[in-house]
Amino acid sequence: KAGVTQTPRYLIKTRGQQVTLSCSPISGHRSVSWYQQTPGQGLQFLFEYFSETQRNKGNFPGRFSGRQFSNSRSEMNVSTLELGDSALYLCASSLAGEPGTGLADTQYFGPGTRLTVL
Amino acid sequence: KQEVTQIPAALSVPEGENLVLNCSFTDSAIYNLQWFRQDPGKGLTSLLLIQSSQREQTSGRLNASLDKSSGRSTLYIAASQPGDSATYLCAVRNTDKLIFGTGTRLQVFP
Repeated sequence: KAGVTQTPRYLIKTRGQQVTLSCSPISGHRSVSWYQQTPGQGLQFLFEYFSETQRNKGNFPGRFSGRQFSNSRSEMNVSTLELGDSALYLCASSLAGEPGTGLADTQYFGPGTRLTVL
Repeated sequence: KQEVTQIPAALSVPEGENLVLNCSFTDSAIYNLQWFRQDPGKGLTSLLLIQSSQREQTSGRLNASLDKSSGRSTLYIAASQPGDSATYLCAVRNTDKLIFGTGTRLQVFP
């Protein structure tokens, strides 16, 4: 079974631009979460989608948004990029619709998209 | 507010040693705890998930324990190998997200 895939793997943008990142979950997984990883802040939760609905959102400004499609693929968008948005963006998928469902809640991560903002 | 801490931050050991990585969390109201490894510049690989009702889980040379009441988990790696070199992250699952620790960078030298 193919793992979580993310595209593109690397991206270089300039301040003020906007960017869209894509995530394809493991087949059959309907929950997709996004995380930002930086050396200073570690891994921080952005948002979670399940069945095309955003269920949870982390403490990020409104410039960060996302969506999920009917095939469970998800995209996240960052508008008006800032230098501090440079990070590794990771997406994770799971089988479970909610926490507390045992091993079905195991989060499987993709390889990430490395975003550099100049 | 849930906080997750991992000790030590870095560890360097010779091949063949058994070692223990520690993870502590401040709020025991968790659904599960998951251990991951991350190779430099790569994504996270899931190692083990322990449900809140469980005490331990094993996979090959890895054994993870959970003591929810004291807010602690340990990852035991038996007979370490150079290929085990990576950063190990623990994460607790609450209602809406995973909350990650700061990680332990492990180096196993031949």
